Amino acid sequence: QVLLVESGGGVVQPGTSLRLSCAASGFTFNSYAMHWVRQAPGKGLEWVAVMSSDGSKEYYADSVKGRVTISRDSSKNTLYLQMNSLRPDDTAVYSCAKQGAVYGDFDHWGHGTLVTVSS
Amino acid sequence: QTVVTQEPSLTVSPGGTVTLTCASSTGAVTSGYYPSWVQQKPGQAPRTLIFGTSNKHSWTPARFSGSLLGGKPALTLSGVQPEDEAEYFCLLYYGGSYVFGTGTKVTVL
Repeated sequence: QVLLVESGGGVVQPGTSLRLSCAASGFTFNSYAMHWVRQAPGKGLEWVAVMSSDGSKEYYADSVKGRVTISRDSSKNTLYLQMNSLRPDDTAVYSCAKQGAVYGDFDHWGHGTLVTVSS
Repeated sequence: QTVVTQEPSLTVSPGGTVTLTCASSTGAVTSGYYPSWVQQKPGQAPRTLIFGTSNKHSWTPARFSGSLLGGKPALTLSGVQPEDEAEYFCLLYYGGSYVFGTGTKVTVL
């Protein structure tokens, strides 16, 4: 079955960097676009970034553009999110999601990893 | 910055029907926005119930249906069950990027 497991979260100081990972299994990783979504404590879902199946295209939410980079390694079936210049409002649970055959169809989700940005 | 607005909360009786909508700040939504609906229960990972306006996954209960109503994506729950109490988010595609709606908390009372 499809499994998405995020890791790399933790408590970091403002202005520092962090790289999140999403280990994927149970499907042909390089056939599907992959997303990052975050949820701040007590808040709604916020889409963060997407990378196409072949890694040729990437898009970002305005709130993270220029500070965040999405990437993927098909040899490791892993999706990454490099986050720089972290701010307190980046505090959230970060989840990866697999896109199905249709735009907007996030057919499988991970449980997320918590990132806390605090001094 | 694009904002997608949903009803903050709705209450429905067991067995009743409720319709959730979402509105894009950019104007009327069409099928080209590939609207989807995501359910989230406390402490659980989200799961997508409806995608591409009205398509269902194998895990989507038959009582959930998606449509477009007056330029807004809509999610209708018919014959609501207690286990449908959750927060529901719409998701719209903007030609590369995506925006989630503000979320609707559905209470079954």
